[in-house]
Amino acid sequence: GNSVTQMEGPVTLSEEAFLTINCTYTATGYPSLFWYVQYPGEGLQLLLKATKADDKGSNKGFEATYRKETTSFHLEKGSVQVSDSAVYFCALSEGQGGGSYIPTFGRGTSLIVHP
Amino acid sequence: GAVVSQHPSRVICKSGTSVKIECRSLDFQATTMFWYRQFPKQSLMLMATSNEGSKATYEQGVEKDKFLINHASLTLSTLTVTSAHPEDSSFYICSARGGGPEAFFGQGTRLTVV
Repeated sequence: GNSVTQMEGPVTLSEEAFLTINCTYTATGYPSLFWYVQYPGEGLQLLLKATKADDKGSNKGFEATYRKETTSFHLEKGSVQVSDSAVYFCALSEGQGGGSYIPTFGRGTSLIVHP
Repeated sequence: GAVVSQHPSRVICKSGTSVKIECRSLDFQATTMFWYRQFPKQSLMLMATSNEGSKATYEQGVEKDKFLINHASLTLSTLTVTSAHPEDSSFYICSARGGGPEAFFGQGTRLTVV
């Protein structure tokens, strides 16, 4: 079956530091990959996505590259801000269009950014 | 991006009563909706998957009679927690898929049973 493994948190950084949150996956087919962000007391927001190998998803200074050879989709940001403090979920989903293609989520990584 | 609205955001109910949570896709047709329960320390537990017009598919260990899911239209799914007990207190989140591979999430509902 499919699975997503992401690094344990919390990740604690100072403002303007470089961020990497590792994510690796196993899948039977050719999945699309996602990063979601969850701020305290809220639902998950789609941060970025990549739908095929070598695609780079980017948004709000975050980016991640779909690496099929290493089955990875690591999240990076060059300079974090206090407002980036949140929980980040890596996820995959197979299939296009409708149908019960259930997304698979990692356990989430908490990021804490100090001023 | 696509918007999923979940209501209410917070609810407090007495033990033994039922609570209904609504999940609406506002600007797209949701062929599939998912209901999750989120435990402390972040992890998401998938409770059930529902397709419009058909019965929900529940994950192992989730009581169908306790967590009633209705996906009556392409824009609305509801989760009813029946005869709620304090151990049902949790953060419940819905998500919806339309024509693409990504799922969009509601804001979540904090349920407290007293």
